[in-house]
Amino acid sequence: QVQLVESGGGLVKPGGSLRLSCAASGFTFSDYSMTWIRQAPGKGLEWVAYITNGGSTTHYGDSVKGRFSVSRDNAKKSLYLQMISLRAEDTAIYYCARPGPFHAFDIWGRGTVVTVSS
Amino acid sequence: EIVLTQSPGTLSLSPGEGATLSCRASQSVDSSYLVWYQQKPGQAPRLLIYAASSRATGIPDRFSGSGSGTDFTLTISSLEPEDFAVYFCQYYGGSPLFTFGPGTKVEIK
Repeated sequence: QVQLVESGGGLVKPGGSLRLSCAASGFTFSDYSMTWIRQAPGKGLEWVAYITNGGSTTHYGDSVKGRFSVSRDNAKKSLYLQMISLRAEDTAIYYCARPGPFHAFDIWGRGTVVTVSS
Repeated sequence: EIVLTQSPGTLSLSPGEGATLSCRASQSVDSSYLVWYQQKPGQAPRLLIYAASSRATGIPDRFSGSGSGTDFTLTISSLEPEDFAVYFCQYYGGSPLFTFGPGTKVEIK
């Protein structure tokens, strides 16, 4: 079935780095752009990063620009989010999601938890 | 920058009642890219409505979306127990590329 599975979350100190992964299955990964979206504890949803299907174009939310980098490996059907200079306010569940019809996110992973704390 | 505002923040209703949720954009937007999601505790969001009024696959017809310009509405005709959740609207386009509203919580009265 169509599925996204995130991994790589954990506890990291402020200023530290972390790399998240998202494994796709059940659809032709290389046909779709992909995104990362996060949700701080008890808060709403915040778009983080977007990458086109071929990986040539990326876009970032203002709060992560210059610190986060999105990439993908279509041969491995995987999406990545490299995060550096992490701050307490980056603490959140990080979801990967597939933009489907009219760029609506039709497939979501279950998320991976990132906690930034000393 | 496009900002989405949702109202009310919380809606307290009983099963069987109808619900009307509002999403207002700070400027006129293309309704083709206005989306609604449902999120239950501990779960990822689920796509309900895309292009303002098109139901996603498997979404019951008690859910409907409408609106244009700056004002959009999600209507649940008769609340089922599983409909008590948080609902987010979202827009694609402009800056930032994707924008979410703050959400409306539909709780059991």
